[in-house]
Amino acid sequence: KQEVTQIPAALSVPEGENLVLNCSFTDSAIYNLQWFRQDPGKGLTSLLLIQSSQREQTSGRLNASLDKSSGRSTLYIAASQPGDSATYLCAGGNRDDKIIFGKGTRLHILP
Amino acid sequence: EAQVTQNPRYLITVTGKKLTVTCSQNMNHEYMSWYRQDPGLGLRQIYYSMNVEVTDKGDVPEGYKVSRKEKRNFPLILESPSPNQTSLYFCASSGAGWGANQPQHFGDGTRLSIL
Repeated sequence: KQEVTQIPAALSVPEGENLVLNCSFTDSAIYNLQWFRQDPGKGLTSLLLIQSSQREQTSGRLNASLDKSSGRSTLYIAASQPGDSATYLCAGGNRDDKIIFGKGTRLHILP
Repeated sequence: EAQVTQNPRYLITVTGKKLTVTCSQNMNHEYMSWYRQDPGLGLRQIYYSMNVEVTDKGDVPEGYKVSRKEKRNFPLILESPSPNQTSLYFCASSGAGWGANQPQHFGDGTRLSIL
């Protein structure tokens, strides 16, 4: 059964720094991995989706990578801003079309 | 505007009183799904549907029912709600099954309290 883990659970960094959020998964037969952002009291917003055949995806200051062999994905945020403060979740899509979420990393960007 | 709409947004009810949370999407998406989000447990998939009249259990289906009679609607039914079903619920949709690599679109959530 697929398990998805995100470490650390919370992270605080000064504004302007580059940072990396980590996501690990146990089943390398993953179809794809998606990164989401969740603001307090809100739903989830899709940030990036990486297909199993891809190594990375980029959108603006965000870059997500996928390494199936090591069971890891990372979300890189360049030049962080206070508006980036949110909870970031990763989710693995599997062969049975089930979706397994990590518990998220709560990110706080210090002005 | 492309969106996933859930109703109600907030509901307080009592144990055993049947309730339905509706979910509707206007993007002609095939795949729809329900999740619950609990502190310390994260988001867990309850049920999902690949298309009309096709539904499958997620990780935590006990105590829930769903139906998919039309492509745009995917209601979540609690026949006899219990306090352990107090949670924040999300509906989501995507253009096809997860295996087809389509991003999921989420509703704004329904906060459900069962007394």
